[in-house]
Amino acid sequence: DSGVTQTPKHLITATGQRVTLRCSPRSGDLSVYWYQQSLDQGLQFLIHYYNGEERAKGNILERFSAQQFPDLHSELNLSSLELGDSALYFCASSVAGGAEQETQYFGPGTRLLVL
Amino acid sequence: GNSVTQMEGPVTLSEEAFLTINCTYTATGYPSLFWYVQYPGEGLQLLLKATKADDKGSNKGFEATYRKETTSFHLEKGSVQVSDSAVYFCALGRRNYGGSQGNLIFGKGTKLSVKP
Repeated sequence: DSGVTQTPKHLITATGQRVTLRCSPRSGDLSVYWYQQSLDQGLQFLIHYYNGEERAKGNILERFSAQQFPDLHSELNLSSLELGDSALYFCASSVAGGAEQETQYFGPGTRLLVL
Repeated sequence: GNSVTQMEGPVTLSEEAFLTINCTYTATGYPSLFWYVQYPGEGLQLLLKATKADDKGSNKGFEATYRKETTSFHLEKGSVQVSDSAVYFCALGRRNYGGSQGNLIFGKGTKLSVKP
């Protein structure tokens, strides 16, 4: 158990819908990262928040957005969902702002299926 | 730019066989190097890491040495078990200057299957 929690574990929805994925980092960690894992694209970095501020943005679609709240939990919002958005979405956390030696601790993931 | 290349899988071994998964990297500066493991149905877990040249990371019988001269961080284990069946990811940690890659850059992963 990494100490990172993600809800829900599974999500099934229809095209065009909007969903929210939630992540609670390890106690004391200030950074939250979001990744998408799919069979064809592998593990893709989406976005990084540090202490409530956006730190880096990866290949995140404009239909997707995220935020980190004052209690440091984070939410990833996916809207106008398409079939191709079906994937595993991971959240990770690290203790500080993303130094090169920092370990990221991953949650168990949310499996999204868009029908 | 920064990138990680690891050997294509899947790799299938018999129990007690020797394992090597190759990983090479391209990076500016002095990155840290990581191996993560993903067991079926689970998230990624840190397996080991090395933060400077010639460092050796080790955990659960796995080892990897940070070789700056060959830009490599190959994962090895002397005797694999069925419980080692998983996907292994090599990753490079760079200082987060922003930009689209984030600060942890992953290889594509290598699936290992160990047969009894």
